[in-house]
Amino acid sequence: EAGVTQFPSHSVIEKGQTVTLRCDPISGHDNLYWYRRVMGKEIKFLLHFVKESKQDESGMPNNRFLAERTGGTYSTLKVQPAELEDSGVYFCASSQQGDLDTDTQYFGPGTRLTVL
Amino acid sequence: AQKVTQAQTEISVVEKEDVTLDCVYETRDTTYYLFWYKQPPSGELVFLIRRNSFDEQNEISGRYSWNFQKSTSSFNFTITASQVVDSAVYFCALSRYSGNTPLVFGKGTRLSVIA
Repeated sequence: EAGVTQFPSHSVIEKGQTVTLRCDPISGHDNLYWYRRVMGKEIKFLLHFVKESKQDESGMPNNRFLAERTGGTYSTLKVQPAELEDSGVYFCASSQQGDLDTDTQYFGPGTRLTVL
Repeated sequence: AQKVTQAQTEISVVEKEDVTLDCVYETRDTTYYLFWYKQPPSGELVFLIRRNSFDEQNEISGRYSWNFQKSTSSFNFTITASQVVDSAVYFCALSRYSGNTPLVFGKGTRLSVIA
């Protein structure tokens, strides 16, 4: 079974440009999460989808970030326009909806974003 | 508010030594879940274990063991007879109610096992 995949693995852009990150969750997982780790800091939650609906977006830093999950499958996270402080590693995770033994979040390899 | 503290930023041990990674958490919830993830050099976060707040039994999986103590709000991770392949960053995390709620992570502990 394929794990969570993320694309691209690395992205280097200039301040003011737009970048779109993609996450493909594990097949059958209704829950999809985005997290971010800025250099030297903790991994921080950004938002949570259940299927195509945003369950919790309390961690989104500002309106330059837009997340979508059309059709409840893969998700995209767009940063527009990118700022220097957006640099970091963006992780995606997915989990099943169900009883409490199956809702562990499994993570992808992350996308390293560098804004120059 | 929830918080996870991993006071050890970096640990270096010689192969075959035992090592314990500390995790202290704060929460006002009575139902919560604790997790450990491993981040090898390849970058992905690999799930290791979850424990709910009602299960204080210690767990052993091969060379790995976990000690959960509610009295001290700790969920420590011990690697016995460490190996070079154990070199990674290890994260402790906490969630409310279930695994399907946002995880709150500690800053991670970088473990280097030297041959």
